[in-house]
Amino acid sequence: GEDVEQSLFLSVREGDSSVINCTYTDSSSTYLYWYKQEPGAGLQLLTYIFSNMDMKQDQRLTVLLNKKDKHLSLRIADTQTGDSAIYFCAETFRGALTFGSGTRLQVQP
Amino acid sequence: DAGVIQSPRHEVTEMGQEVTLRCKPISGHDYLFWYRQTMMRGLELLIYFNNNVPIDDSGMPEDRFSAKMPNASFSTLKIQPSEPRDSAVYFCASSPQGAGTEAFFGQGTRLTVV
Repeated sequence: GEDVEQSLFLSVREGDSSVINCTYTDSSSTYLYWYKQEPGAGLQLLTYIFSNMDMKQDQRLTVLLNKKDKHLSLRIADTQTGDSAIYFCAETFRGALTFGSGTRLQVQP
Repeated sequence: DAGVIQSPRHEVTEMGQEVTLRCKPISGHDYLFWYRQTMMRGLELLIYFNNNVPIDDSGMPEDRFSAKMPNASFSTLKIQPSEPRDSAVYFCASSPQGAGTEAFFGQGTRLTVV
């Protein structure tokens, strides 16, 4: 199958910016996604970017896409303790979503 | 809509027993996905359906696993016989148009096989 890779852990202080990185392999994905998983819950879509875009901003979230390097990043501005969760990037492969391993974001007060 | 509903939320069973996980997708969604989440392997796609028809079951680990979707509002994932290595959180998700649109996830079923 396709590989989507992420770093496993990120720790930031409240109020700082967080940047979560992801590399993917399937260059034919029309969309790339960021999902958030809080403890004991399912995944929720945070944001997505169309593959012909370089950047998408949505309130505190900024997604950057570098298609040449197959690199996707999610920046969270003014990170809050409520942002503590696991963040997954995902691409489409054979009609379904393929997820990275997830990055656990810990926000320290 | 109540979202994707999975039952049970937690299941503890003994090795060798049959386990059935249930999912009710969001009404009107044509696609249904079953995923398994473990610490070691992350989120793995097991199988997905389009209009109740299985499209890709290449992620089903072995013949002990089977999934059905008898109608648009119900799907089951069955493990028979269960083994300790099947312990994981199993998620069901649905989407209106498949890949390229948002997938809505249920709360998951945490399965423990002892």
